Amino acid sequence: DTAVSQTPKYLVTQMGNDKSIKCEQNLGHDTMYWYKQDSKKFLKIMFSYNNKELIINETVPNRFSPKSPDKAHLNLHINSLELGDSAVYFCASSQDMLVGNNEQFFGPGTRLTVL
Amino acid sequence: AQSVTQPDIHITVSEGASLELRCNYSYGATPYLFWYVQSPGQGLQLLLKYFSGDTLVQGIKGFEAEFKRSQSSFNLRKPSVHWSDAAEYFCAVGAITNTGFQKLVFGTGTRLLVSP
Repeated sequence: DTAVSQTPKYLVTQMGNDKSIKCEQNLGHDTMYWYKQDSKKFLKIMFSYNNKELIINETVPNRFSPKSPDKAHLNLHINSLELGDSAVYFCASSQDMLVGNNEQFFGPGTRLTVL
Repeated sequence: AQSVTQPDIHITVSEGASLELRCNYSYGATPYLFWYVQSPGQGLQLLLKYFSGDTLVQGIKGFEAEFKRSQSSFNLRKPSVHWSDAAEYFCAVGAITNTGFQKLVFGTGTRLLVSP
């Protein structure tokens, strides 16, 4: 069974379009994250949710809107896509947001290409 | 601000040889340190972590890391590298956000190439 899954794996779209990436975890974790990995492999946190509540928002453009319908799901919607949004987006989860339980489990990533 | 430096962008090691990947961190308090591995086209997998206690930490796949507070380092080691270890390795520190929650700050990664 996949612990953290993301769909789609690949996403190719035109500038200006709106797209969504879905993430689900079956680990029973309370906390979920979205990361962006750029072309140089630099990995940076974008958002974190704990029990459906937004707890970290790292100055991401408001074209990016995360939504957590329940604590097992964290989706990422992106409006008006730009060339610079091309990257690999990783979802992750951890038991909770406490330091000692902050081992994060990552999904396989979604490679977004904006043309 | 918290930061992680991995000075080696890529390293090539012969199969069977020993490996050390360097990681230096900047953090005011006691750090929570992690090493993750990313195989091509895959997500990240945790190799090991340091929270407190013994400064030599054992991980999966035969990896270990040593926390040295005086050098602000958390270098990853393996005595004998296998071809399957070829991957990207990320060091990370657990940092507190301005809202009081913890996040991971990653280094830029080191790509390990294994030669026959």
